[in-house]
Amino acid sequence: EAGVAQSPRYKIIEKRQSVAFWCNPISGHATLYWYQQILGQGPKLLIQFQNNGVVDDSQLPKDRFSAERLKGVDSTLKIQPAKLEDSAVYLCASSSRGAYNEQFFGPGTRLTVL
Amino acid sequence: GDSVTQMEGPVTLSEEAFLTINCTYTATGYPSLFWYVQYPGEGLQLLLKATKADDKGSNKGFEATYRKETTSFHLEKGSVQVSDSAVYFCALSDSGGGADGLTFGKGTHLIIQP
Repeated sequence: EAGVAQSPRYKIIEKRQSVAFWCNPISGHATLYWYQQILGQGPKLLIQFQNNGVVDDSQLPKDRFSAERLKGVDSTLKIQPAKLEDSAVYLCASSSRGAYNEQFFGPGTRLTVL
Repeated sequence: GDSVTQMEGPVTLSEEAFLTINCTYTATGYPSLFWYVQYPGEGLQLLLKATKADDKGSNKGFEATYRKETTSFHLEKGSVQVSDSAVYFCALSDSGGGADGLTFGKGTHLIIQP
């Protein structure tokens, strides 16, 4: 079974530029999550999708971050404009059902904002 | 809001030593509790979980018991190996309305010396 795929693996941009990350979850997984992991900290949930609907985006900085999951499969996370403090690893995870089920994580995208 | 506190690292042990990594949590509901592990150069993966009070999760020789009275979920292993060197994250999921994103601790870096 293929795992969660993410691209790109690394991205370096200047502040105020925009950037987008892509995630392809495990086939058949209805739930998709985006997390932000700043160096030295644990991952922080940004947004959760159930199929193509948003379940929780309470910690998403909506003035600069946006995410979509068209057709309930792939997802993109965008930052526009980026700030220095957005430098982090962005992790995508998927699971087959809601509570109590294992979340499978992708390798992450490491973003550096200069 | 929900939070997870775990012991700071790095924790350095000799091979075959006994391991305890402390984890305590704060949650409004009845959370599920998890330990995730990140081996060098790899993504996050689930190590073990417990979904209700007094449950014991176990995997690969690691164990953790869900203690509601002390709001704790300490990770233990009787005899560690060099291959256990990794970063360990305690996490909870306090699902409400289907929102079951994980709240993570900051992680504990474990180093096992031969």
